[in-house]
Amino acid sequence: DSGVTQTPKHLITATGQRVTLRCSPRSGDLSVYWYQQSLDQGLQFLIQYYNGEERAKGNILERFSAQQFPDLHSELNLSSLELGDSALYFCASRPTVGGTGELFFGEGSRLTVL
Amino acid sequence: AQSVSQHNHHVILSEAASLELGCNYSYGGTVNLFWYVQYPGQHPQLLLKYFSGDPLVKGIKGFEAEFIKSKFSFNLRKPSVQWSDTAEYFCALNTNAGKSTFGDGTTLTVKP
Repeated sequence: DSGVTQTPKHLITATGQRVTLRCSPRSGDLSVYWYQQSLDQGLQFLIQYYNGEERAKGNILERFSAQQFPDLHSELNLSSLELGDSALYFCASRPTVGGTGELFFGEGSRLTVL
Repeated sequence: AQSVSQHNHHVILSEAASLELGCNYSYGGTVNLFWYVQYPGQHPQLLLKYFSGDPLVKGIKGFEAEFIKSKFSFNLRKPSVQWSDTAEYFCALNTNAGKSTFGDGTTLTVKP
């Protein structure tokens, strides 16, 4: 157990719909990272937050948005869903104190768009 | 800009064979380097890391990696693989700015 919690674990929806994925980082971690992993593909970096502020942006589509709340949990919103958005979405957090930059990943949210 | 390149997309080995997965990075400053492993159906988890000191680092399950600064490389090795090592392996770097960059991953299949 990495200490990073993601919900839901599985989600099936239709094209054109909107979904929200939720992530709670490890206790004390201020950074949250979101990654997308499609079938047989690597980890595509989407976005990073640190203590509520956006820190870095990757190849995140305009249909996707995210935020980090004062209690440090983060939500990734995916709208106007397309078949190609079907993927595993991972959230990760990074230790704020100590550590050397390693990421702790949640179990992931598997999104299926039909 | 920083980048990570993994040379092998898919590696197939027989049990007891030796393993070496290549990783090269591009960044002009100080980096911390990592290998993550993702077993089928699981999330990525840390295998080993380098941040300073001895360039030969040892991780879990008999894996080791060597940081060669002059070659911008951080190759992963294991002298004798097992069927249970079948997984996806990601090389990653982290800069002082806190940005993490992952390679595309190498799928390792170990035949029993």
